[in-house]
Amino acid sequence: NAGVTQTPKFRILKIGQSMTLQCAQDMNHNYMYWYRQDPGMGLKLIYYSVGAGITDKGEVPNGYNVSRSTTEDFPLRLELAAPSQTSVYFCASSRDSGYEQYFGPGTRLTVT
Amino acid sequence: DAKTTQPPSMDCAEGRAANLPCNHSTISGNEYVYWYRQIHSQGPQYIIHGLKNNETNEMASLIITEDRKSSTLILPHATLRDTAVYYCIVRGGLDRGSTLGRLYFGRGTQLTVWP
Repeated sequence: NAGVTQTPKFRILKIGQSMTLQCAQDMNHNYMYWYRQDPGMGLKLIYYSVGAGITDKGEVPNGYNVSRSTTEDFPLRLELAAPSQTSVYFCASSRDSGYEQYFGPGTRLTVT
Repeated sequence: DAKTTQPPSMDCAEGRAANLPCNHSTISGNEYVYWYRQIHSQGPQYIIHGLKNNETNEMASLIITEDRKSSTLILPHATLRDTAVYYCIVRGGLDRGSTLGRLYFGRGTQLTVWP
């Protein structure tokens, strides 16, 4: 049982490039979340999903897109990378909204 | 969701109890208190949560005051591996129109356990 996995661990992007951050969970959780964490700050919710085919915006969705075609996977897409998107990105999942969230190890992204 | 207030930093000697306070004076009746921690560069880890009764698990104890306006996370025998940022979070209820269990993270308390 791997829990929540994220790839890549690190990535450097040039301004204007695009990329997809991958997230997968093997716990059959319905809910999945994407957060970003800027240096010295708490986590902010970007997008979340309550099940396959259903996604919704969090606090800071601008510049990102998500999809949820399967229960297991919840990729986060950056279309036109900007320096303001330099951050550490965490994916999480939970069985339902009332249950604890399990976090992945994070992806450290730098946009220059 | 209710806001929380935590001290920015605390320290504790190894083997002693670490008591981390949290104020949540605007908490409403159906909101839970959650605690997570984040060891440097890792993803946050769930510790414990409660509604109004005190709770204990293998990691920690959670003491919630009777008026629910504050709580304390207790690590009974702190070790060096407990050095982390601890987040106190008040999570919305599951009523219609709720935030579907979103967690709002503040800056937390940096706990340093020294030998």
